[in-house]
Amino acid sequence: QPVLTQSSSASASLGSSVKLTCTLSSGHSNYIIAWHQQQPGKAPRFLMKLEGSGSYDKGSGVPDRFSGSRSGADRYLTISNLQFEDEADYYCETWDSTSRVFGGGTKLTVL
Amino acid sequence: EVQLVESGGGLVQPGGSLRLSCAVSGFTFSSYWVHWVRQAPGKGLVWVSCINSDGSSTNYADSVKGRFTISRDNAKNTVYLQMNSLRAEDTAVYYCVRDYTVWGQGTLVTVSS
Repeated sequence: QPVLTQSSSASASLGSSVKLTCTLSSGHSNYIIAWHQQQPGKAPRFLMKLEGSGSYDKGSGVPDRFSGSRSGADRYLTISNLQFEDEADYYCETWDSTSRVFGGGTKLTVL
Repeated sequence: EVQLVESGGGLVQPGGSLRLSCAVSGFTFSSYWVHWVRQAPGKGLVWVSCINSDGSSTNYADSVKGRFTISRDNAKNTVYLQMNSLRAEDTAVYYCVRDYTVWGQGTLVTVSS
């Protein structure tokens, strides 16, 4: 079963860009992942599906400021022109034929 | 509008049972897998269980295997999670999720004496 590793926290200034990382465990570097955003006190929201090729499909209503990319086993979520409403927990998720697994989440603080 | 609405949470004593429901609307329910994901207070997301589109295949996390049962009624557009032998560590907000793309608002389950 794959394991996903995320940094516990990140911070960036209002209007700047930030790149969050999700690393797939050895042997799972081509897995598809999903990124989710959870604002304080709210349910998670699907942001995008990120293929092993690096292409991504965003969910409905997700701003253009959000994009995805990959390098090897690393999957990235880049948020440009940071807004205060982007302050949230960000989780990556992947799956195999029988189960799903989440990363531990990254808490993003907008300064 | 695609919606998933959970219900059935509440306070239950250790060893007790609860049945959660997830009522869906706005899409062809019988075409999609549905998952339950939980989040303990202040913690991250943890996958619990899933069921395929016609209910013929189910899977569970090791932590709930043998205690929880997922089912669905495609005529009622509803997924259920029967939770038995509840433990304090099952305390969490439980979310139902269509595939990985649409989340419900969650229902809180508290296991405490």
